[in-house]
Amino acid sequence: DILLTQSPSFLSASVGDRVTITCRASQGIGSALAWYQQKPGQAPKVLIYAASTTQSGVPLRFGGSGSGTEFTLTISSLQPEDFATYFCQHFNTYPLTFGGGTKVEIK
Amino acid sequence: EVQLVESGGGLVQPGGSLRLSCEASGFTFSDHYMDWVRQAPGKGLEWVGRSRHKVYSYTTEYAASVKGRFTISRDVSKNSLYLQMNGLRPEDTAVYHCVRLFFHGSDYFTDYWGQGTLVTVSS
Repeated sequence: DILLTQSPSFLSASVGDRVTITCRASQGIGSALAWYQQKPGQAPKVLIYAASTTQSGVPLRFGGSGSGTEFTLTISSLQPEDFATYFCQHFNTYPLTFGGGTKVEIK
Repeated sequence: EVQLVESGGGLVQPGGSLRLSCEASGFTFSDHYMDWVRQAPGKGLEWVGRSRHKVYSYTTEYAASVKGRFTISRDVSKNSLYLQMNGLRPEDTAVYHCVRLFFHGSDYFTDYWGQGTLVTVSS
């Protein structure tokens, strides 16, 4: 199975900060990676797919990059509604797996 | 508008069975891969399994943790996806989400998620 390691698992940031979350795959997955945002009591929301393509309707401050084994999600200027947990998921081979999550909290 | 509405969750004893349903609307159900994804309370996300679309005869894939116990099926006439869960264990306790996928490049990615239905396995 492909292991996805997210870092950090927790981060504290202020409104307006630039935030970067990393997802490392245990083997190469090309660009078969997506990023999600999840708020308490809600289903995950797709932010990025194919490593760097922003889902329709997602604010432009969210960006994804990377390929192979290392990927990043960047929030260019953190907004109050962005405090949530973020997950990565790969779509390369079965079984699909998720990263452990990064909780973004207000400093 | 795409909608995915899960139902069928509840409290079940270890070893018991439950069938979850996901009613889809707003798109051509037979044209999409569909996944089940679960999330244990306060935990991360776990992929459960997949039903491919009509072109691949709705064939399925499963996570090792549920293979042989869970079965995914569809009733296209009802636009519904099912998850039959047998031999349930306490570690199957989770919110189960129905998820739609779309094809991009050379891979399938998720776009719509249902709100989920809670399954609790406990005596």
